[in-house]
Order: sequence, then C-alpha cells, then structure tokens
Amino acid sequence: KAGVTQTPRYLIKTRGQQVTLSCSPISGHRSVSWYQQTPGQGLQFLFEYFSETQRNKGNFPGRFSGRQFSNSRSEMNVSTLELGDSALYLCASSLAGDSPYGYTFGSGTRLTVV
Amino acid sequence: AQSVTQLDSQVPVFEEAPVELRCNYSSSVSVYLFWYVQYPNQGLQLLLKYLSGSTLVKSINGFEAEFNKSQTSFHLRKPSVHISDTAEYFCAVSLSGGYQKVTFGTGTKLQVIP
Repeated sequence: KAGVTQTPRYLIKTRGQQVTLSCSPISGHRSVSWYQQTPGQGLQFLFEYFSETQRNKGNFPGRFSGRQFSNSRSEMNVSTLELGDSALYLCASSLAGDSPYGYTFGSGTRLTVV
Repeated sequence: AQSVTQLDSQVPVFEEAPVELRCNYSSSVSVYLFWYVQYPNQGLQLLLKYLSGSTLVKSINGFEAEFNKSQTSFHLRKPSVHISDTAEYFCAVSLSGGYQKVTFGTGTKLQVIP
C-alpha cells in the first residue's frame, strides 16, 4: 500500500510569508502527527490530529496551525515566517495514534526561509 | 512528562566493528521505547520497539536493544556494522497505555568508515 505522502518536498519562502504543507497518511490511518526537525534539536512535536480533531499540541507559537480533513489528509500552516522556521517538517501517520503501533513517516518537506 | 537523552551526537566506527548507541529515558511510570532510523533525505523508519515482555528486542537487519529498567536505558547495539548502516538513529519514548505522545531524542549520527 502507498506510504505517507508529503508535498511539496522542497520549499523556499521569504520572511513574513505564509506556507501550507500537506500530508496524506496511509490509507486507513486516522492519526497524523507533525514534527519539526532541525540540526541539534532533534524532532520537536508540533501537533497531532485524530478524526479531524487536534488531540495534542506541542510548545510552538500560534503561527503554527494545522487541520485534518474527513479523508484524514492533514495540512499545517505557518504564518509570518521567520528565518528560524527553516527546518524539515515531518508528518507521521498511525492507525489510531496509539504509540505501540509506531509511526510511519513521510519523507518530509524541507522549508527554507530566506 | 517523559524525556529521552542521546548523549552521543556522532559515533564513527569502522566497518565490521561493533557499535553501541546510547539512550536513556526518564519517566516515573511504565513506558514504551523505540528506535527509529533516518537515511539521508528520507523520513524516519521504525527499527525496533519494546512494549513489554522480553527485555531484549531485535530488528531484522541485525540491530538489537535491551530495556534496562533499573538504569532507565535502551541502548542500541550491533555486533558488526556495514557501510549501509550509516544513518541517523533516534531513540523515542512514550508512556504506556492507550494514546500517548511520542517524544524523540536528538539523534545519533552513525558514520561507518570503510
């Protein structure tokens, strides 16, 4: 079956702009989590959606937001981009968010803010 | 809240030599533990996990990890590494039972030297 699909793979934006990233989970998976990966910081949890509801949220400013659609596809949005937002953004899907099943990650979207 | 520490940011090792990647966690309650691997320009892949039962868990490509509750550790080992093992390895922890957020360490880059 198809894996987790993230689009676009690469993105270059200017400070102050906004950006929307997309994630299509594995078919049948209802939970989507988003992580920000930067060198030295590892993976920082952004938020998790399950059945169109945000179930958990990390410690990121309100400029970072997300949503999930009825088909489980998820988008995250970052408004008023800052240079420090440059990172690899990873999406992970799982059946129901229950950690024992583990996550399946997409290849990520590399965002560069200039 | 749980946390996980990977003290070694980089581990160089010669091909066919053994390797140990260290992971320590902190939690006052039962946890699930995971190791993920990330190859260049890819997302993370689940390598192995400990949920309960036998404290020694193994992956299909020769890695193994041992859960040590008294030392709160979950170190990853391989008796003989290959060039293809060059990647970044992430230890992760979550509380056990139902839906729980997964917390990742900062990662260890394994560099296998020919």
